[in-house]
Amino acid sequence: AQSVTQLGSHVSVSEGALVLLRCNYSSSVPPYLFWYVQYPNQGLQLLLKYTTGATLVKGINGFEAEFKKSETSFHLTKPSAHMSDAAEYFCAVSFSGNTPLVFGKGTRLSVIA
Amino acid sequence: EAQVTQNPRYLITVTGKKLTVTCSQNMNHEYMSWYRQDPGLGLRQIYYSMNVEVTDKGDVPEGYKVSRKEKRNFPLILESPSPNQTSLYFCASSLWLSSGGAEGDEQFFGPGTRLTVL
Repeated sequence: AQSVTQLGSHVSVSEGALVLLRCNYSSSVPPYLFWYVQYPNQGLQLLLKYTTGATLVKGINGFEAEFKKSETSFHLTKPSAHMSDAAEYFCAVSFSGNTPLVFGKGTRLSVIA
Repeated sequence: EAQVTQNPRYLITVTGKKLTVTCSQNMNHEYMSWYRQDPGLGLRQIYYSMNVEVTDKGDVPEGYKVSRKEKRNFPLILESPSPNQTSLYFCASSLWLSSGGAEGDEQFFGPGTRLTVL
């Protein structure tokens, strides 16, 4: 079955350190890939997405993600964490043009001062 | 302002008492969807709708009903709520489901409805 796996339900980093949130998917066909962020007591908002073209995608708030087909991965990174980045992050995948998004289980990011 | 609204934001009810959570979007989106979010399980889709009068089951439809009589509204109905439906519910919408690189890819989410069933 097609699935999305986020490694690590909780990641903790120091302020100013690199943020790396991992996302892998299972599919033989290149899917469409998304990262969403959920701040406390809020809905989800789109951070970035990959559909076609350049495999390195830049999003809001300094985040970026790289689609690696050979590794079936779409990891989210940010060079320097800020306290305001503390939130839950969801990777989501659309495996074909007419199927609903499949969400990973989420990774909660904590940023330590 | 483009947005998805949900009401109520918080609801405490008792087992068996029918309830409706409303969802409305002002972006003229064809696609709308309901999710529930539970700790450790992420977001799971309940129902979705490709357009007016077109609905389909998601991953966890049992115990829920939906209707899509108008493009902007997509209410979620719990005919006989049970404690295992205690959860955080999100409504989302997008221009269309196909993710061919067009602007319709992004799903816009409502603020959530926290439901407790006693």
